[in-house]
Amino acid sequence: DSGVTQTPKHLITATGQRVTLRCSPRSGDLSVYWYQQSLDQGLQFLIQYYNGEERAKGNILERFSAQQFPDLHSELNLSSLELGDSALYFCASSEGGQGDYGYTFGSGTRLTVV
Amino acid sequence: EDQVTQSPEALRLQEGESSSLNCSYTVSGLRGLFWYRQDPGKGPEFLFTLYSAGEEKEKERLKATLTKKESFLHITAPKPEDSATYLCAVAVYGGATNKLIFGTGTLLAVQP
Repeated sequence: DSGVTQTPKHLITATGQRVTLRCSPRSGDLSVYWYQQSLDQGLQFLIQYYNGEERAKGNILERFSAQQFPDLHSELNLSSLELGDSALYFCASSEGGQGDYGYTFGSGTRLTVV
Repeated sequence: EDQVTQSPEALRLQEGESSSLNCSYTVSGLRGLFWYRQDPGKGPEFLFTLYSAGEEKEKERLKATLTKKESFLHITAPKPEDSATYLCAVAVYGGATNKLIFGTGTLLAVQP
């Protein structure tokens, strides 16, 4: 157990729907990062939050959004889902905002859009 | 453009057969290089961080080294339980935060 908790583990939904993925960071970590992993793309950075505020954005679609709450857990919202959004979504956390010492990853949410 | 390339894409070894995985990078402002291990359907598990050329880190049968252009993950006398995908990532200075750029990984299979 890495200390980073992601729920749900699996999600199956239809095209056009909206889902929310949840992440609780490791105790003491202030930064949360969201990554998408698909077979042909590898791990792609989506967005980072640090202590409740957006810190950096990667290749995140406009249909996707995220937030980090006062208790530091984070949610990734995916809307108007398309077949191509099917992937593993990972959350990672780090103590600081720079990520100099590496990230701790959760076990991921597998999203299947049918 | 910042880029991380791992080779080979896949590697099959016999138990006890040592080998090396390569991670080459072209980035501006390297802040650190990370190695992760990922088992199927699970999140990447942190192995090592290297910060400067010449640095080496060891953990059990794994040893990571870093030069100015690449990193190697040496696996000595591997066992079947070392089978996994090994991911390399570089942290690049990006202003308010570092960007972590991942390679696509090397899938290692160790046969008994």
